[in-house]
Amino acid sequence: AQSVAQPEDQVNVAEGNPLTVKCTYSVSGNPYLFWYVQYPNRGLQFLLKYITGDNLVKGSYGFEAEFNKSQTSFHLKKPSALVSDSALYFCAVRVGGFQKLVFGTGTRLLVSP
Amino acid sequence: SQTIHQWPATLVQPVGSPLSLECTVEGTSNPNLYWYRQAAGRGLQLLFYSVGIGQISSEVPQNLSASRPQDRQFILSSKKLLLSDSGFYLCAWSVRGVAGGQETQYFGPGTRLLVL
Repeated sequence: AQSVAQPEDQVNVAEGNPLTVKCTYSVSGNPYLFWYVQYPNRGLQFLLKYITGDNLVKGSYGFEAEFNKSQTSFHLKKPSALVSDSALYFCAVRVGGFQKLVFGTGTRLLVSP
Repeated sequence: SQTIHQWPATLVQPVGSPLSLECTVEGTSNPNLYWYRQAAGRGLQLLFYSVGIGQISSEVPQNLSASRPQDRQFILSSKKLLLSDSGFYLCAWSVRGVAGGQETQYFGPGTRLLVL
């Protein structure tokens, strides 16, 4: 069965500093990996996804993520955090075919001024 | 461009009352449609998905049902709400026919349901 883990319940970072939100996955097969962001009382917004090819994926709002097959990780990164990046971030994984998208439990990012 | 609508945005219902939440998608045809529930502001649970009109797959047995009467309309229903049905309900869509599960799911704004 496929699964994804977000080991940090919350990440705190100062504005202007780089940020990393961690995600590890477990699948049998080649994974498709996704990152979403959720602002309070809002739906999830798609940030980026990894399907194949270049291990570094660039997405919306200056975010990027690096696929690491040997470490089964797909960490979300941004070089310089903004206060407005404060939100709940979800990692998700799917293996090929019409299989459900499995979400992590979410990581709350708090960027302080 | 494609947009997804959900209504109502917020709903407060008594225990035992019926429920109907609606989701519609614009700007695309033949989408895959999904209903999720988010409890306690964190984890998302897939409730139902649909690959076409009248085709509904249920992920977990529960007090809810779903219907797809039109191509771009997805409805979540209950005959009698339970306290445990409270939560944030999210509808999502994805393009149908993309091979291999690469397609992105796009989410609506959500409906917050409080059952008292």
